[in-house]
Amino acid sequence: ETGVTQSPTHLIKTRGQQVTLRCSSQSGHNTVSWYQQALGQGPQFIFQYYREEENGRGNFPPRFSGLQFPNYSSELNVNALELDDSALYLCASSLQGTNQPQHFGDGTRLSIL
Amino acid sequence: RKEVEQDPGPFNVPEGATVAFNCTYSNSASQSFFWYRQDCRKEPKLLMSVYSSGNEDGRFTAQLNRASQYISLLIRDSKLSDSATYLCVVYTGRRALTFGSGTRLQVQP
Repeated sequence: ETGVTQSPTHLIKTRGQQVTLRCSSQSGHNTVSWYQQALGQGPQFIFQYYREEENGRGNFPPRFSGLQFPNYSSELNVNALELDDSALYLCASSLQGTNQPQHFGDGTRLSIL
Repeated sequence: RKEVEQDPGPFNVPEGATVAFNCTYSNSASQSFFWYRQDCRKEPKLLMSVYSSGNEDGRFTAQLNRASQYISLLIRDSKLSDSATYLCVVYTGRRALTFGSGTRLQVQP
């Protein structure tokens, strides 16, 4: 069984730039969720994708956008980067359903200078 | 008020000790509950789901009290390898997991 994989591992950007983060879901999982984790905090939900459509969204501005592909992999795009976007970005995959636990990738650590 | 609240700790305990963490949640419609473990600068990993009847997995016991809206995690016979941050996680039916800020545990030799 292949776990959740994310790329890149680390990334450094400057304010105003754009970034794309990638995630491959665990085999057999059809739902991908993205989270932002600031230092010392728990992960905060950004959005979820199911069947290639956004299936739910947290309290993040529209410059955070995403995609899901037919093979269930996903991208997170962030435009007009701000200093506060510096965080660990986590992708989690699961089966659709309320009692399904989510399994996380290693994350991408994004630093904005 | 935060949706999921945890004591941030740190809890410093000797090896072999029993330690308990509590977590409260605000949304009475919450449907599913989990404990995740997160090591420093790593991803969260599922420790266990939490069921109304309570459940046990080796040294770990989780309890759910829906009336009082709290969840607990008990760790018996603590090991050095149990040192981590423990995240209380609630599914509220809005497609997302809601995480507490985590409780840090440090087990000392």
